[in-house]
Amino acid sequence: EVQLVESGGGLVQPGGSLRLSCAASGFTVSTNYMNWVRQAPGKGLEWVSVIYTNGDTYYGESVKDRFTISRDNSKNTLYLQMNSLRAEDTAVYYCARDSDDSSGKFDYWGQGTLVTVSS
Amino acid sequence: EIVMTQSPLSLPVTPGEPASISCRSSQSLLRSDGYNSLDWYLQKPGQSPHLLIYFASNRASGVPDRFSGSGSGTDFTLEISRVEAEDVGVYYCMQGLQNPLTFGGGTKVEIK
Repeated sequence: EVQLVESGGGLVQPGGSLRLSCAASGFTVSTNYMNWVRQAPGKGLEWVSVIYTNGDTYYGESVKDRFTISRDNSKNTLYLQMNSLRAEDTAVYYCARDSDDSSGKFDYWGQGTLVTVSS
Repeated sequence: EIVMTQSPLSLPVTPGEPASISCRSSQSLLRSDGYNSLDWYLQKPGQSPHLLIYFASNRASGVPDRFSGSGSGTDFTLEISRVEAEDVGVYYCMQGLQNPLTFGGGTKVEIK
């Protein structure tokens, strides 16, 4: 059974850093495109980043040059390193797996982890 | 960036009645293989989103057949043939054609 479990969220001051983790089971993170999607309180979904099977990475404009997506194949875990955090980064962060045919459909989502950026 | 526009923002529905949500993209989502890279997701209250429809018209595993998707190019529709109480939540369309992937603003379906 495929499962995604995020962790690492919490309260951080503006300008600070945080690293989110997404532990996967039931499949190997290196064999699927893996994404981060966030949702600000009371708002809609916003795609954040993707890491392809070949290691290529892409980011939304609002997080480019501040966030870094990566994975550890030995731990079967996806990460999101978030630096220079701003109040507008406050959100629930979900990891989401792209389907086996890498067609841009997210067939599994984690439960999310809340990041709050505030002084 | 491909802009996704959903309507309506809110949709009060009567159980047993049909419901329809529209999604428009600023660019065609039609791939060279003939598939449209358009998904529909439902986020029930307090839950993570989950996949309902992919490639515009294919139901995901376990999705009831009262849900159907249609459309091609830039205009897409999600229809619920007979709404049930468990269908309440926010529905999102998403384009998977090009980065950055983008979602529609969401349609909140609630029971009258």
